[in-house]
Amino acid sequence: ETGVTQTPRHLVMGMTNKKSLKCEQHLGHNAMYWYKQSAKKPLELMFVYNFKEQTENNSVPSRFSPECPNSSHLFLHLHTLQPEDSALYLCASSLDTNGELFFGEGSRLTVL
Amino acid sequence: GIQVEQSPPDLILQEGANSTLRCNFSDSVNNLQWFHQNPWGQLINLFYIPSGTKQNGRLSATTVATERYSLLYISSSQTTDSGVYFCAVEYTGNQFYFGTGTSLTVIP
Repeated sequence: ETGVTQTPRHLVMGMTNKKSLKCEQHLGHNAMYWYKQSAKKPLELMFVYNFKEQTENNSVPSRFSPECPNSSHLFLHLHTLQPEDSALYLCASSLDTNGELFFGEGSRLTVL
Repeated sequence: GIQVEQSPPDLILQEGANSTLRCNFSDSVNNLQWFHQNPWGQLINLFYIPSGTKQNGRLSATTVATERYSLLYISSSQTTDSGVYFCAVEYTGNQFYFGTGTSLTVIP
């Protein structure tokens, strides 16, 4: 069992649906991240939260909406997505924003 | 921003062979990590190595920060070593930048 858990592991949604991805870390870390990995591409950082405050938003479209209610939980709310948003979404955490990263198992999203 | 280049992009090995993966980066970094992404997509931490040399079983890594590169050595490769290997560097204090990866296939 990893210190960072993501649910659901697989998600299929239509373009008009609203869904959420959940991430929980049990490592006592203060920073949490969402990354997107499309096929054959490197990881792209989407959002960074440090002590529940968003510190980075790498020009992510507003159809992706993050939420960090506390240092242990991170959500990614999805609405009116496009087929090109289909990807593996990875959550990570670290003790602080320049510390060692630990990843969850990922949520594989397919948008029809 | 910083450029992170990994080589080779693809590598096929016979089981039992050794290999060296390289990560070059274009600026001074504070931290560097190596990851193995398994076929199910999970990124497994291999090394957290901003400088120096570390070893863990059949794997070892060396980072020469002054020359802006890191090497990952895999000895006596096994089929379970297959997957994509990523290096990631941190230099701004608030995020890691990932390379494009080396895809390794170990055949029995």
